[in-house]
Amino acid sequence: AQSVTQPDIHITVSEGASLELRCNYSYGATPYLFWYVQSPGQGLQLLLKYFSGDTLVQGIKGFEAEFKRSQSSFNLRKPSVHWSDAAEYFCAVGNNAGNMLTFGGGTRLMVKP
Amino acid sequence: DTEVTQTPKHLVMGMTNKKSLKCEQHMGHRAMYWYKQKAKKPPELMFVYSYEKLSINESVPSRFSPECPNSSLLNLHLHALQPEDSALYLCASSQPGQGSGYTFGSGTRLTVV
Repeated sequence: AQSVTQPDIHITVSEGASLELRCNYSYGATPYLFWYVQSPGQGLQLLLKYFSGDTLVQGIKGFEAEFKRSQSSFNLRKPSVHWSDAAEYFCAVGNNAGNMLTFGGGTRLMVKP
Repeated sequence: DTEVTQTPKHLVMGMTNKKSLKCEQHMGHRAMYWYKQKAKKPPELMFVYSYEKLSINESVPSRFSPECPNSSLLNLHLHALQPEDSALYLCASSQPGQGSGYTFGSGTRLTVV
């Protein structure tokens, strides 16, 4: 069975500071990994995804994530956070058949001015 | 067209009502999903349709009845719901077997009174 853990429920950073959101996954084969962002009352927007190849993945809005197989991790990073980045962030793992997506519990990001 | 469209955006219904949620995509995706999301929680998978056939039903109560009339449409029929069924209902689509990512709609905010 596949699963995802996001250890941090809440994170607060100052605007302009760097950000790292943690994600650990469990999956028997090479995983498909995703980061989504959700603003209050909205749907989920895909930030980036990893299937294979370069383990450092670039996404939208200046986000990047690094796949580390040895640590079963897929942490999301941004060098300089903007106030508009305040939202809920979900890490997710998909199966190889491409028909099952499992979410972590989410991390709520708050940005201080 | 790279969107998943859900209607209505908001729905208030009584416990004796029958209503339907609708979802449409024109990306050629052959897998479609219904997720339920309670406040401050991750989305929970309800149903998966793959090539218009129901492939996964995550032990959802029978008061929720999915329907996939064709490869572009997905409905969720609601009947005799309970107040605890109030939530954001998200539709998503993907292309099975390619792991190309899952595209989500903006959701229907359902309130059961």
